Amino acid sequence: DAGVTQSPTHLIKTRGQQVTLRCSPKSGHDTVSWYQQALGQGPQFIFQYYEEEERQRGNFPDRFSGHQFPNYSSELNVNALLLGDSALYLCASSRGGQGDTQYFGPGTRLTVL
Amino acid sequence: QKEVEQDPGPLSVPEGAIVSLNCTYSNSAFQYFMWYRQYSRKGPELLMYTYSSGNKEDGRFTAQVDKSSKYISLFIRDSQPSDSATYLCAARDNYGQNFVFGPGTRLSVLP
Repeated sequence: DAGVTQSPTHLIKTRGQQVTLRCSPKSGHDTVSWYQQALGQGPQFIFQYYEEEERQRGNFPDRFSGHQFPNYSSELNVNALLLGDSALYLCASSRGGQGDTQYFGPGTRLTVL
Repeated sequence: QKEVEQDPGPLSVPEGAIVSLNCTYSNSAFQYFMWYRQYSRKGPELLMYTYSSGNKEDGRFTAQVDKSSKYISLFIRDSQPSDSATYLCAARDNYGQNFVFGPGTRLSVLP
């Protein structure tokens, strides 16, 4: 049973560029949440997708957008990258849209130069 | 005031010690509480999941929730060097879709 997978593992971008991160949820899960984790901090909620719609959003600007596909996989897009966007981006999956027990992927480490 | 607070540590203990990790929270609507373990440069791994107040035990790990004092604890018995990691507590209410995380406590178990 595959767990949550994320790609790519690492990414280096320059300021102003755009980036797309990808996530496949755990088998049987239909809900995907995205978090940003800065070094030495706990994960901060970006948004959650369920039934291909954004259900809830944290305190992140519109530069952060997402999408969920019919197979429940998801993408996180960040436009106009800033140095402060450098972080570990985590995807978590759960069942039923209730945010229940969330299982995390290994993360994508984004470095913005 | 952050909604979930933890002492960031680092906390160093000798192998075999009992470890106590703690969180406090401010939102009385929180009903679900989780502990995650995160190794360096990896994603968080779910350790314990509890609903409302009470205790839950799983092997060497015991989670306690005291809603009256808004206090969450994780106890690790017979700690091992492999337990060295950052421990994150998280909480949510009945309606929120996201979990609110504490900043994590870094634990080192010395052989």
